[in-house]
Amino acid sequence: DAGITQSPRHKVTETGTPVTLRCHQTENHRYMYWYRQDPGHGLRLIHYSYGVKDTDKGEVSDGYSVSRSKTEDFLLTLESATSSQTSVYFCAISADASGKFDTGELFFGEGSRLTVL
Amino acid sequence: GNSVTQMEGPVTLSEEAFLTINCTYTATGYPSLFWYVQYPGEGLQLLLKATKADDKGSNKGFEATYRKETTSFHLEKGSVQVSDSAVYFCALRKYGNKLVFGAGTILRVKS
Repeated sequence: DAGITQSPRHKVTETGTPVTLRCHQTENHRYMYWYRQDPGHGLRLIHYSYGVKDTDKGEVSDGYSVSRSKTEDFLLTLESATSSQTSVYFCAISADASGKFDTGELFFGEGSRLTVL
Repeated sequence: GNSVTQMEGPVTLSEEAFLTINCTYTATGYPSLFWYVQYPGEGLQLLLKATKADDKGSNKGFEATYRKETTSFHLEKGSVQVSDSAVYFCALRKYGNKLVFGAGTILRVKS
């Protein structure tokens, strides 16, 4: 199994509070992603990173920020949580996207279930 | 933009039945196509993939063929087992390593 750890695995918080989810990998992969999973929508990309301090927005980035100060850690922050951000959040990693080593495969963590009351 | 459409579920089958889960995509050019599977309480894992037209991906008895003319990548298995019960996601990759996922199809297999 790919070495991906998400924390916390479950969290209940109140509207307006800040929340940070952490993704830690031991694979030394360059790419890291945060997705949210919601019924009827599948997985939607929030933000991704292609290296330390290199991040970019996905399709549903409003209300979220990320940081990557080390290769192994990718943090997702909800500055002021809202009920619409109740979801299951998945971190994923992948190796370099180029050349013969590119398998296109993403490896996923086990998910973090966030409930915003 | 790029998008993936999957048949709505849940799909409920008896053990040893034939499975088809439809997937069609919209994309310019020739994306790579994937099927991921999510077992209860777990993250997604790659089931199979195809990178060019007419390629057939296969794994664990599942197959899918990249059909450019119909922009489809339907998932099939000849004889499902209870252990195949999961959520199946079709996905495409156009550039970089960003995947676009379909909504997912729940498969329930009864013994």
